[in-house]
Amino acid sequence: DAGVTQSPTHLIKTRGQQVTLRCSPISGHKSVSWYQQVLGQGPQFIFQYYEKEERGRGNFPDRFSARQFPNYSSELNVNALLLGDSALYLCASSTPSGHYEQYFGPGTRLTVT
Amino acid sequence: KQEVTQIPAALSVPEGENLVLNCSFTDSAIYNLQWFRQDPGKGLTSLLLIQSSQREQTSGRLNASLDKSSGRSTLYIAASQPGDSATYLCAVANYGGSQGNLIFGKGTKLSVKP
Repeated sequence: DAGVTQSPTHLIKTRGQQVTLRCSPISGHKSVSWYQQVLGQGPQFIFQYYEKEERGRGNFPDRFSARQFPNYSSELNVNALLLGDSALYLCASSTPSGHYEQYFGPGTRLTVT
Repeated sequence: KQEVTQIPAALSVPEGENLVLNCSFTDSAIYNLQWFRQDPGKGLTSLLLIQSSQREQTSGRLNASLDKSSGRSTLYIAASQPGDSATYLCAVANYGGSQGNLIFGKGTKLSVKP
């Protein structure tokens, strides 16, 4: 079975630009969460979506937004990019029947110059 | 506010040694606790999930314990191998919160020398 997939793998953007990151969960998983991980730190929670509804939001500015599609894939959008947005963006999927064990994708490395 | 701390930040051991990684959390009202492994620049690999009602979980050479009352978890790795070298992260999901919201520690960077 395919695991969580994310695209693109790497991305370089300029300050002020907008970026869209994509995630496909494990088949059968209806919950998708997004995390930001800066170098040397643990991941920080950004959003959780379950069956297309937002279930949780972390302490991130309104420049960050997300959505989930009917096939449970998800997009994370970041507007007006800042240098500090440079990080590894991770997506995780889970299911209630699995006690919400989180399975992570390989991540998208975003560099803002 | 839940805070997760991992000690030590880095650990270097010779191959074959048994070792323990520590994780502590400030709020005992958790839904579950998960241990992950992360190789440099890569995503996270789930190692073990412990539900709040459980005391320990085992997978191969790994054993994780949970003591909710004291806010502690340990990850025991038996007979360490160079391939175990990675950063190990501990994360908790708060009870009553979003189960997809994990609060992470900063990790322990493990180096196993041949």
